[in-house]
Amino acid sequence: DTEVTQTPKHLVMGMTNKKSLKCEQHMGHRAMYWYKQKAKKPPELMFVYSYEKLSINESVPSRFSPECPNSSLLNLHLHALQPEDSALYLCASSHNTMASGAFTDTQYFGPGTRLTVL
Amino acid sequence: SQQGEEDPQALSIQEGENATMNCSYKTSINNLQWYRQNSGRGLVHLILIRSNEREKHSGRLRVTLDTSKKSSSLLITASRAADTASYFCARTSYDKVIFGPGTSLSVIP
Repeated sequence: DTEVTQTPKHLVMGMTNKKSLKCEQHMGHRAMYWYKQKAKKPPELMFVYSYEKLSINESVPSRFSPECPNSSLLNLHLHALQPEDSALYLCASSHNTMASGAFTDTQYFGPGTRLTVL
Repeated sequence: SQQGEEDPQALSIQEGENATMNCSYKTSINNLQWYRQNSGRGLVHLILIRSNEREKHSGRLRVTLDTSKKSSSLLITASRAADTASYFCARTSYDKVIFGPGTSLSVIP
């Protein structure tokens, strides 16, 4: 299984809502990532988990809260978002063996969640 | 910018022609990767070239890396309509991964 799955595919939420994005992989990868991508722009790294521990937070506002319950799952909890947070949210995973490091491996991306904040 | 540049930003070619995209960067890298993204979907990994490599091939793809010029190029030979997508290079070091702005490729049947 070389697939990263993300749910939901689309999400519309109000600024006062609380919602969660989910990501799952069964490739035995120990690094998982959240990216945000605005239209016609490259993905921007938000968070990195390595061996289920948060290793990188790229100064993301606290209204985004990541969680890694186990090595196969990654969640992104959303609360009090702003309309400018509307974007495609991409999850990715990679092997992250100690020998190769977090960013030197191929990343496998999920199809993304298209988020619209009203 | 830290992203560096990719050129061209947009490229339109006829089916069967070759497409070349370039990527420049500013800081040292461990490796450089190329990804493809179809409209509004996830990214698909195409090829990874390490900093000590100069050229790699994968099917119709050829990637070169010139670390002295801090640049890489992706060549797609004999393009097909299905190659229409955005192409991103990603520069990776131990603690950073930075995607370039991308090239939007249109292959006209």
